[in-house]
Formats: sequence, structure tokens, C-alpha cells
Amino acid sequence: AQSVTQLDSHVSVSEGTPVLLRCNYSSSYSPSLFWYVQHPNKGLQLLLKYTSAATLVKGINGFEAEFKKSETSFHLTKPSAHMSDAAEYFCVVSVPNYGGSQGNLIFGKGTKLSVKP
Amino acid sequence: GAGVSQSPRYKVAKRGQDVALRCDPISGHVSLFWYQQALGQGPEFLTYFQNEAQLDKSGLPSDRFFAERPEGSVSTLKIQRTQQEDSAVYLCASSFGGQGSSYEQYFGPGTRLTVT
Repeated sequence: AQSVTQLDSHVSVSEGTPVLLRCNYSSSYSPSLFWYVQHPNKGLQLLLKYTSAATLVKGINGFEAEFKKSETSFHLTKPSAHMSDAAEYFCVVSVPNYGGSQGNLIFGKGTKLSVKP
Repeated sequence: GAGVSQSPRYKVAKRGQDVALRCDPISGHVSLFWYQQALGQGPEFLTYFQNEAQLDKSGLPSDRFFAERPEGSVSTLKIQRTQQEDSAVYLCASSFGGQGSSYEQYFGPGTRLTVT
């Protein structure tokens, strides 16, 4: 069965400092992994995705994540936080079904990122 | 460009009432998903359509929940005899591909349902 665990429910950083949001996954298959961001009163937006190509994945707004199979991790990082990064972040694994296509998504519980001026 | 839209954005229902939530996916998207997001939680899968066919409804929490997509575009999620535990944000997502594909899911803004 597939699952994801986000290790921190809340992370607070100062503007201009690095961001690290941690995620561990469990999957019976070679996983497809994603990070989504949810700003208040807005829809979920895809930040980046890993689908068995390069293990270091670059996303939008300067975010990146590294797939580490040995550690079953997919942590999200950004070198320098911006005030606009304050939001809820979800680590997600895709359930393969219907002949191997990406099916429904399984979300972690989310990490709320706060950015202090 | 037009994204996924959902209506209403907010719905207040009295316990026992029936509600219908609408999703307009991106034009041409084959796949449509419904998710339920309880307060302070991540979204949880409810059901999946490929065109008009409902291929997976394993996430529907009870037989009070029913979804349809009769013409393979707009979808409606119906909840009968609403209960307080149904209070949540209901998210719709669509993606271009169907079986055998791997395309990004685009999410709508959600419908916040409050059952009083």
C-alpha cells in the first residue's frame, strides 16, 4: 500500500533562510511522488513531480526535491524563503492503477510553512 | 485560461438535507477526480471518472455519497441526508490523460460544505 508521512506539521523560517519540508513515503511500486502547495482560499498547485527520471527534481518558484530510495524520502527544499512562500505544502504519492497509469493521489497531512520578515 | 471550476464555493446545509456539488473540468480532460479535505487534513480520494465511466469509487465514505459524469464533462457529487461529519472542503481535479497516461491533476478551488 502507498502512504506518505510529513514529519512536521508546522515549519517556521525567516525570510531569506533555507526551507526544508520533510516527507517519507511507503510504496509497493516504483512511486510517482509530488509536492503540491495550497495557498489560503486557492486551489492546490503542483510544485514538482518525480516519475522515475532524474532523482533531483526542480519545480516552480525555486523549489526542488530529491528522491532518495534508500531513505524512502522526498524532502522539499528552497535555498531562500520568500514571504509569498507561506502556505500549506502537501507531499503526495500516486496510486498506480488501470494498467499502470497514474490514478488517485494519496496526500500527506500537510506542513504549514510560516515565513517571518 | 479556464481552469477547473466548482460551484457553489460555499454551502451551508442543515443536517439531513441533500446537497449537490458541481465540477466543471478543463475542456478536453479525460480524467476527473473528487477528493474530500477535512479541516487540518490532506485531501482524501473519493472517486474517479474516465470520461463518463466511474472506474473507482472506493473512497466514497458511505452510500449517501453519489457521483456522476453523464456526458464525460461536468460532474456532480451528491450527498444525501447530510451529517455533521460530512463538513469538509470537496475538491475536484481533472487531468488530460486516461488509462495508461501520467498527467498532472489540476485542482479546482473547492466547495466548502458546512453541515449544521
